[in-house]
Amino acid sequence: DAKTTQPPSMDCAEGRAANLPCNHSTISGNEYVYWYRQIHSQGPQYIIHGLKNNETNEMASLIITEDRKSSTLILPHATLRDTAVYYCIALQGAQKLVFGQGTRLTINP
Amino acid sequence: EAGVAQSPRYKIIEKRQSVAFWCNPISGHATLYWYQQILGQGPKLLIQFQNNGVVDDSQLPKDRFSAERLKGVDSTLKIQPAKLEDSAVYLCASSSAGYWETQYFGPGTRLLVL
Repeated sequence: DAKTTQPPSMDCAEGRAANLPCNHSTISGNEYVYWYRQIHSQGPQYIIHGLKNNETNEMASLIITEDRKSSTLILPHATLRDTAVYYCIALQGAQKLVFGQGTRLTINP
Repeated sequence: EAGVAQSPRYKIIEKRQSVAFWCNPISGHATLYWYQQILGQGPKLLIQFQNNGVVDDSQLPKDRFSAERLKGVDSTLKIQPAKLEDSAVYLCASSSAGYWETQYFGPGTRLLVL
């Protein structure tokens, strides 16, 4: 399964868009990119996933580059409640979720 | 829809004692997972159940950890005897099918071993 690389921490101002990058240069053609987040003292929460097309739901947008070697999670209007650790995971079929260190996103007022 | 329930939320024990955690998954979810999350790290899968059968327990320290899922619903994870390095948050998750389905996590049980 592909390994993902994320920056350890990021800051964003409240109300602005938060753009979280993820590199997955060894991703295979049938591996999906999943994003989960973990708010302090809570369990991880699913956000979004995609294969090759850009995806959007009520929480976020996922932009995957054409070569699929990297992706960006976009929180369009970040709020203080979006402060969390964000995990990018490459997953194929019946593979298990392997969480890395993630990106600690801090939303500042 | 009720989420994944876990209890207790916090537990403090001394090393060599035993401890048990309980998980009630989302109704109808066939797959149940137990994860261990050490401070500063991402969660690590310990064991996966499909209904009441074990699918993956490759990372479960079987000399001290055990888990069961009676009747394919609730599950318990036990540690006996506990070591200092078992201090962590133990997370339970469930999904409607296999690994590739969205997993829903409970709030976790925070264990401190003294």
